[in-house]
Amino acid sequence: GAGVSQTPSNKVTEKGKYVELRCDPISGHTALYWYRQSLGQGPEFLIYFQGTGAADDSGLPNDRFFAVRPEGSVSTLKIQRTERGDSAVYLCASSLRAWDTDTQYFGPGTRLTVL
Amino acid sequence: AQKVTQAQTEISVVEKEDVTLDCVYETRDTTYYLFWYKQPPSGELVFLIRRNSFDEQNEISGRYSWNFQKSTSSFNFTITASQVVDSAVYFCALSRDNYGQNFVFGPGTRLSVLP
Repeated sequence: GAGVSQTPSNKVTEKGKYVELRCDPISGHTALYWYRQSLGQGPEFLIYFQGTGAADDSGLPNDRFFAVRPEGSVSTLKIQRTERGDSAVYLCASSLRAWDTDTQYFGPGTRLTVL
Repeated sequence: AQKVTQAQTEISVVEKEDVTLDCVYETRDTTYYLFWYKQPPSGELVFLIRRNSFDEQNEISGRYSWNFQKSTSSFNFTITASQVVDSAVYFCALSRDNYGQNFVFGPGTRLSVLP
């Protein structure tokens, strides 16, 4: 497809489990971003990649959260020892160049529910 | 610290009415960027506009218009002759130098346009 895709669309897990959320950016977009959106709130920045490297991971809430983008395309957000407070929609976006909002497109998100 | 306030949690209007969504921001920076995004029920955030702090000219794009007033730290968004397809959550956002953790979203305003 032409847009940003995220899988799975929904993920239900139990407290303490490990989860991986995947993001497929638009082909050719060098910048990729992860946001977390809790119910009734605006998105909160987590991390952004320029190519393969994490250019800014200052939004990751703690060391249970980690993200990779090994080939500069697909990215995976990994959450260890999930907690109920991690329940949220995790949004991914990509853009041609870093923070180029004119070319930044968002995916539909992955809704994570931690029971 | 940067902060965005959208005091209207939910607004309902009847089709063809005009509606204004309020956004008030706080920042100590002299250079900053303001944004509006639309999040329809499908979940993808859609970029609508970016305005930098040195450009106070109002902007009109079709039925959409934006009023930026630095004196009151406001960046309000008006939809003229609203349509059912305008129903969505609208987010105002603020960024310092277009970067990562400094990209702060407001809590959003849910707009329902009734036929």
